[in-house]
Amino acid sequence: EAGVAQSPRYKIIEKRQSVAFWCNPISGHATLYWYQQILGQGPKLLIQFQNNGVVDDSQLPKDRFSAERLKGVDSTLKIQPAKLEDSAVYLCASSLAPGFTYEQYFGPGTRLTVT
Amino acid sequence: GNSVTQMEGPVTLSEEAFLTINCTYTATGYPSLFWYVQYPGEGLQLLLKATKADDKGSNKGFEATYRKETTSFHLEKGSVQVSDSAVYFCALGDAGGTSYGKLTFGQGTILTVHP
Repeated sequence: EAGVAQSPRYKIIEKRQSVAFWCNPISGHATLYWYQQILGQGPKLLIQFQNNGVVDDSQLPKDRFSAERLKGVDSTLKIQPAKLEDSAVYLCASSLAPGFTYEQYFGPGTRLTVT
Repeated sequence: GNSVTQMEGPVTLSEEAFLTINCTYTATGYPSLFWYVQYPGEGLQLLLKATKADDKGSNKGFEATYRKETTSFHLEKGSVQVSDSAVYFCALGDAGGTSYGKLTFGQGTILTVHP
C-alpha cells in the first residue's frame, strides 16, 4: 500500500514570495491533516479536512496561509506572502476517519526555508 | 488548553541500556495518549498508544502506561539497540470538541544509541 506522498521535498524561497505544497493521501482516507513542524518543536496542526470540508483551521494564519482539498483526495497548502518565521517542515497526514481508532499516517514532509 | 511536556534531550545511551523518556500532559477530559517515532530520513510513525487510564501501550519492546493520577505517559524500553536511534514524540489526542482527531505534540526527544 502506497503511503502519503508529498512534494516538493525541499523548497527555498525569499521572503514575500509565494509557495505551494502538495499532498496525496493514502487511497480511501477521508481525513487529511496539515501540520507545521518548526525546528526543535513538535508538529502543530494547521488544518484538518474531512473529505473536502474543513473541520478545524483554528491555528491556520489565514492572512497568508490557505489550503484546499479538491474532490476529497489531494490537497494543496499555500503560503503567500512567506515570512522568515514560516521556515519549517510541513507535514501531511491522513487517516481513514477522524478520531483515534484510526491511525494517522504521515508523509515525509516538505522542508521550507525562507531567506 | 492541551499541552505535552517531554524530557529535554538529547539522550545518549549504550546498546542494551535501559531507556526512559518522560512525558507529562495537561488536558481536560479523557484524552488518548500516543508515542510517535521519527527515524532519520523518514516520516513520523505511530509507535504505541493508550486510550484510557491504566492502559499500557506496547510495540517493538517499547511500552508506556497511561497514568491519570500523575498525568504521565513515560516511554520505556528494557534494552535499546542502535536501530532505536530516532526522535521520539509524545502526543495527546483530544477526544472531544470540533477537531476530533487533533493531536497535540511534545517537542520531541532525540535518542542516540551507541554500539
